[in-house]
Amino acid sequence: GAVVSQHPSWVICKSGTSVKIECRSLDFQATTMFWYRQFPKQSLMLMATSNEGSKATYEQGVEKDKFLINHASLTLSTLTVTSAHPEDSSFYICSAKDREVGNTIYFGEGSWLTVV
Amino acid sequence: GQSLEQPSEVTAVEGAIVQINCTYQTSGFYGLSWYQQHDGGAPTFLSYNALDGLEETGRFSSFLSRSDSYGYLLLQELQMKDSASYFCAVKYNNNDMRFGAGTRLTVKP
Repeated sequence: GAVVSQHPSWVICKSGTSVKIECRSLDFQATTMFWYRQFPKQSLMLMATSNEGSKATYEQGVEKDKFLINHASLTLSTLTVTSAHPEDSSFYICSAKDREVGNTIYFGEGSWLTVV
Repeated sequence: GQSLEQPSEVTAVEGAIVQINCTYQTSGFYGLSWYQQHDGGAPTFLSYNALDGLEETGRFSSFLSRSDSYGYLLLQELQMKDSASYFCAVKYNNNDMRFGAGTRLTVKP
């Protein structure tokens, strides 16, 4: 089946630094990718929709200047958490929509971010 | 609105049958998906319903009633490994997807 790879799986960074998370569709082209955030024992909250070749669409309350999203190709979207703070520590997960098969959205493995 | 309601917790014993309900209030509805997530892991896709009726995949089945804005996930012959969180998710016409809060299923011996 389709595979979405997310990297890194775990990352620890210092407060004030930036960290980049990559989301790649390995065997299909994804014109649309989604970025979610999940706190422990809570649901996945959509942060933004990433469209290839255009600006991302952010959900209300999500700071676009803090969470930079780039979708430069049909197989890669990146999320950069800028000037990270401890409250940004969370599980970040991406998903990608196969442009050929519209009914299933494939998830990456997720990335655990800890800001110290 | 775009709210999804599902029970927060369900407990059942091995071999039993469990039904997890999901109601949604939304415009632009396209389909209802179900995902399973074990602690610390990524969600994995279980099923998708765009039309009314029952979809069966092995021990898991999913049902949708568009007129009632309601769906459910049915898990049969429960196994210990089925202990996880189950999320319903609505897909919209614009490809957006929103998740319910999740139902934590605990399977006991």
